[in-house]
Amino acid sequence: DVKVTQSSRYLVKRTGEKVFLECVQDMDHENMFWYRQDPGLGLRLIYFSYDVKMKEKGDIPEGYSVSREKKERFSLILESASTNQTSMYLCASLGLTNTGELFFGEGSRLTVL
Amino acid sequence: DAKTTQPTSMDCAEGRAANLPCNHSTISGNEYVYWYRQIHSQGPQYIIHGLKNNETNEMASLIITEDRKSSTLILPHATLRDTAVYYCIWAGTYKYIFGTGTRLKVLA
Repeated sequence: DVKVTQSSRYLVKRTGEKVFLECVQDMDHENMFWYRQDPGLGLRLIYFSYDVKMKEKGDIPEGYSVSREKKERFSLILESASTNQTSMYLCASLGLTNTGELFFGEGSRLTVL
Repeated sequence: DAKTTQPTSMDCAEGRAANLPCNHSTISGNEYVYWYRQIHSQGPQYIIHGLKNNETNEMASLIITEDRKSSTLILPHATLRDTAVYYCIWAGTYKYIFGTGTRLKVLA
């Protein structure tokens, strides 16, 4: 089974702190995604990556950056966390040879105080 | 933009068929329609996808209109465990855009 693992289920950070959210997948997938999920707004795409060192902005990239140094790992970085970045963050991966099914991690709930 | 329109919420009696509609009027010819669901506190789970033809698997059926501007997910015999938020999305090469989904409540 494909496994997408997010490093932390729950994090509490302070305003202005740098935050790293890590995501690792074990199926050699080319594509990886970061979403945030907020009540009433559904899932919104922050960034995605279609190859090592390649990235594309999603719908809401402001305040975020990403890093894809290795194929299996896709990191989301909040350079200076703000309270409006309190949210559930979901990572997903997608292989080019499969049916187009996204595999999601369990999510990381970030609270910024 | 890859936007879909779904009803905000629906109720369905246990054992009855749940029919969840989705409009995707700006879909282009080579983009698939995907359905996912999300049970509280879990990541979204893939259900089914299709391009032009109707599809069926062990979880659900997918009916896509001939013009491909809308689709319907059918859960043939809804159970309480099908209570979830259901997302219809369509995707080109990489960009999978989720909307707000339909909150389905299956009633005993």
